[in-house]
Amino acid sequence: GAVVSQHPSRVICKSGTSVKIECRSLDFQATTMFWYRQFPKQSLMLMATSNEGSKATYEQGVEKDKFLINHASLTLSTLTVTSAHPEDSSFYICSVLGFGVNEQFFGPGTRLTVL
Amino acid sequence: GESVGLHLPTLSVQEGDNSIINCAYSNSASDYFIWYKQESGKGPQFIIDIRSNMDKRQGQRVTVLLNKTVKHLSLQIAATQPGDSAVYFCAETLASGGSYIPTFGRGTSLIVHP
Repeated sequence: GAVVSQHPSRVICKSGTSVKIECRSLDFQATTMFWYRQFPKQSLMLMATSNEGSKATYEQGVEKDKFLINHASLTLSTLTVTSAHPEDSSFYICSVLGFGVNEQFFGPGTRLTVL
Repeated sequence: GESVGLHLPTLSVQEGDNSIINCAYSNSASDYFIWYKQESGKGPQFIIDIRSNMDKRQGQRVTVLLNKTVKHLSLQIAATQPGDSAVYFCAETLASGGSYIPTFGRGTSLIVHP
């Protein structure tokens, strides 16, 4: 399967600042990537679908101006949490849509803590 | 989304026992199901999948059972090991409808005691 990395693995920031999280597909050209958010002891919630070269598709209730997604190349998608607040503290996970229509390969996640 | 504030169901077993993790899915039209394992601080990892035209599928030490009548999935882990300790999620999707985004279930925390 595809190897997916995320950077940083952990980040702590002050309230009001912006944080960028990178998702890289190391060995696979990913036309489509997904961004999920996971709160403690809860399931994964899809935030948006990121398509290379076009605007991301956001799920209902996810603010596109707050969670900026850029998928500028086939191997990199970025999620920027703008003006972060403590309630944005969460585990953010990206995934890559693989060869098969139902194959998803997940990154290791990024733990964001907003003070 | 998931209910805020509820803790994950937990299953505690002894090393060597067989584990059974259950999941109720929501969409009767779903035709493809996946079990994921998520270790603490990591992303989900694919374990096994099953299509709706099957009711059982076996992998290495794992078996998935599907009961479409009651919309129920189970994951059986044989001879559970401490390394199996993780949170397990079932996920459903409508593959025939072109959906490649799984809907994740609530998750079950498996704790294996040595």
